[in-house]
Amino acid sequence: DVKVTQSSRYLVKRTGEKVFLECVQDMDHENMFWYRQDPGLGLRLIYFSYDVKMKEKGDIPEGYSVSREKKERFSLILESASTNQTSMYLCASRGGGWGDLRGANVLTFGAGSRLTVL
Amino acid sequence: ILNVEQSPQSLHVQEGDSTNFTCSFPSSNFYALHWYRWETAKSPEALFVMTLNGDEKKKGRISATLNTKEGYSYLYIKGSQPEDSATYLCALNSGNTPLVFGKGTRLSVIA
Repeated sequence: DVKVTQSSRYLVKRTGEKVFLECVQDMDHENMFWYRQDPGLGLRLIYFSYDVKMKEKGDIPEGYSVSREKKERFSLILESASTNQTSMYLCASRGGGWGDLRGANVLTFGAGSRLTVL
Repeated sequence: ILNVEQSPQSLHVQEGDSTNFTCSFPSSNFYALHWYRWETAKSPEALFVMTLNGDEKKKGRISATLNTKEGYSYLYIKGSQPEDSATYLCALNSGNTPLVFGKGTRLSVIA
């Protein structure tokens, strides 16, 4: 019954490495999101996408990029990992139609990927 | 960036106690208010979505109310149980933009 799957639960990377975090959803949702969660800061939006090949910056996009080549898959890319990117990363998806983020549709989250950058 | 405030940041209650916490948000351009529960080692899960002023929602021992005019929502847990221990997140939907989350309230229920 898993609906949003994140590829890695735990990762340890070195500074400067390129990191890929993969997210797949099976609910045919148009809208997908990447958040990071840090103690005392709550969930902060990195990037989101409301259609294939579409992407929008969230509140903290610096140091990240994303890719959405297929509707079900949304990837977060750290081009050159840094220690301040050590965090819990959460992927989520939401229905409600192309780009329609209003209304009562809830987010369905993945289990999270805890990234440590040494 | 919209500011969604949750209080308290954390609390500890005894099993059987009832408790409540608050989510405050700007009342302009309101569309919906979401509550999520995030248990350790699990995914955040939606509890409630409320869209109308005066909405009240209930799921078992957990209920929520919404006041859009003054910009707050309360989450109540009646007779807390250890399995209620989690971080409770509220999130504001204020237009055709992604949800903005508060920092959460971390609840620990002591048996």
